[in-house]
Amino acid sequence: EVQLVESGGGLVQAGRSLRLSCTASGFTFGEYAMSWVRQAPGKGLEWVGFIRIKAYGGTTEYAASVKGRFTISRDDSKSIAYLQMNSLKTEDTAVYYCTGLGEATQTFDYWGQGTLVTVSS
Amino acid sequence: DIVMTQSPDSLAVSLGERATINCKSSQSVLYSSNNKNYLAWYQQKPGQPPKLLIYWASTRESGVPDRFSGSGSGTDFTLTISSLQAEDVAVYYCQHMYTFGQGTKLEIK
Repeated sequence: EVQLVESGGGLVQAGRSLRLSCTASGFTFGEYAMSWVRQAPGKGLEWVGFIRIKAYGGTTEYAASVKGRFTISRDDSKSIAYLQMNSLKTEDTAVYYCTGLGEATQTFDYWGQGTLVTVSS
Repeated sequence: DIVMTQSPDSLAVSLGERATINCKSSQSVLYSSNNKNYLAWYQQKPGQPPKLLIYWASTRESGVPDRFSGSGSGTDFTLTISSLQAEDVAVYYCQHMYTFGQGTKLEIK
């Protein structure tokens, strides 16, 4: 059974940093691009960014709203993806979902339960 | 950037009736290299993460009931639930690459 478990969320002041982790199991982690999608309270889904598999250089792409502030990384030996969030803003308040990105279909195939990040002013 | 626009924003349908949700993209999502439309549909029930229902516009994900179907090509797409069940109450999103539609809230009439 595929499982993605996010951790690291919580309450943080604007301007500070937070690192989220996503621990994967049940699939070959190293063969999946990993992405983060967020959802502000009562709002829709917003893609945050993703990291390619090592075979494609492990490079990253980010939404314009977080570029330069957020960094995604991965540790394939531990099946963990990370989202480092710096210079947080109140508008970053959201549930952050870790997802496995299907390469052939370009879909978010697997989802974690999400972790809530609340940025206070 | 491509913009995905869903309609309606919400709808209420009676149990057993058909529900139809539309998604329009600002540019074609049909890739000529493989003749596939990169358009997916997700279902998000309250308090849960989204779940992939349909990809390539019309291919059902494994385990998805066959009352769910997708259609369309190019810029205009439709998600149809042929006979609404109580468990289908959810918000539905279309997606192309890294862009989601705004969501359509489906309720029971």
